Amino acid sequence: DGGITQSPKYLFRKEGQNVTLSCEQNLNHDAMYWYRQDPGQGLRLIYYSQIVNDFQKGDIAEGYSVSREKKESFPLTVTSAQKNPTAFYLCASSRTGLGYTFGSGTRLTVV
Amino acid sequence: QKEVEQNSGPLSVPEGAIASLNCTYSDRGSQSFFWYRQYSGKSPELIMFIYSNGDKEDGRFTAQLNKASQYVSLLIRDSQPSDSATYLCADRSKDSNYQLIWGAGTKLIIKP
Repeated sequence: DGGITQSPKYLFRKEGQNVTLSCEQNLNHDAMYWYRQDPGQGLRLIYYSQIVNDFQKGDIAEGYSVSREKKESFPLTVTSAQKNPTAFYLCASSRTGLGYTFGSGTRLTVV
Repeated sequence: QKEVEQNSGPLSVPEGAIASLNCTYSDRGSQSFFWYRQYSGKSPELIMFIYSNGDKEDGRFTAQLNKASQYVSLLIRDSQPSDSATYLCADRSKDSNYQLIWGAGTKLIIKP
């Protein structure tokens, strides 16, 4: 079955630590996206990529980094520079002109 | 700055009634519109999309688009408690490089 897989489902980060969230899709979609969602809030775009080896900053890119070395994969690193990283992180992918398909999300908590 | 506006709610509707969710958008160049449903703690799932003016029906759901008024709505007939969720509206505009621009969502509560 085609889909988009995020892992882990839950992640705990210590102060000053970098953590990486995985996002893999087998839908053959060109574009991939990372969003952050805080409780009771909407989606905020962190980074997006429309082709391999290219990505652009979204509205809240500070403290985050990404790579797109393969079409199927778009990992997100939450760096120590991100001072308030506790949130629900959603990865999505799309084919040009169509809606987004979302992964099941990663819930990140600072401990 | 392109915007999509939704009333955050909560919108409370009795079971069996019609739930009406509304969304306005600022970009006249927007070409397509999407409605997503998000249950608490889960990821959004696509339920409807619409490109043309008028109505589009899919089961209990009807999407309505009025480009002249820059208004898109979602009607849910025979509302069920399982329809209780947050509904996100999004539009896709050429000016935003075909990315989706998201509303903040409307929380819908169906009361048994």
